[in-house]
Amino acid sequence: EPEVTQTPSHQVTQMGQEVILRCVPISNHLYFYWYRQILGQKVEFLVSFYNNEISEKSEIFDDQFSVERPDGSNFTLKIRSTKLEDSAMYFCASSSYPGTTGELFFGEGSRLTVL
Amino acid sequence: AQSVTQLDSQVPVFEEAPVELRCNYSSSVSVYLFWYVQYPNQGLQLLLKYLSGSTLVKGINGFEAEFNKSQTSFHLRKPSVHISDTAEYFCALIIQGAQKLVFGQGTRLTINP
Repeated sequence: EPEVTQTPSHQVTQMGQEVILRCVPISNHLYFYWYRQILGQKVEFLVSFYNNEISEKSEIFDDQFSVERPDGSNFTLKIRSTKLEDSAMYFCASSSYPGTTGELFFGEGSRLTVL
Repeated sequence: AQSVTQLDSQVPVFEEAPVELRCNYSSSVSVYLFWYVQYPNQGLQLLLKYLSGSTLVKGINGFEAEFNKSQTSFHLRKPSVHISDTAEYFCALIIQGAQKLVFGQGTRLTINP
């Protein structure tokens, strides 16, 4: 069964360092998403991406964050200068339909710890 | 703004007992509703969804949920749980026409033998 894969599963970094989280969405999907879950809090939407551009983003997704699909298969989330409050589980998701009616397929998550 | 409230952060039940996980939502516009499950060390998996039509929706693994518009609820039920149902369950909504899923806080379901 096709699945969304994420790497790394866990990354520890120093405050101020750049981090790139990688995702391989399901191959025929067209819509891609990043969500995050700070420990003990809700899963929060960060950004959605379609046709090589951001289609919607939350207020969390500030200038420190960026996404790209560099090679047609990977979908990456970059945090330019990490802060302590960026420590969270980051989930990638993909969908073959707009998020209004279709199922989002989620990866297992990348746990980011900022020290 | 839209929101989802899961009233119970943890629900312990005995194996083969029935369970109900509660979810209430708030929205001034029409929404679609979802339940996702996260098994230990795995990603989020769709259990079921309500888009329109019958208010009782059936999902995988014997779960079902009922959409109640007047009470703005979408409670998840299973008549008889198994140890393998131990997981975290998330209720979520999306505004029709949007792409952003809004999640509840999650409910950890623990099954005791």
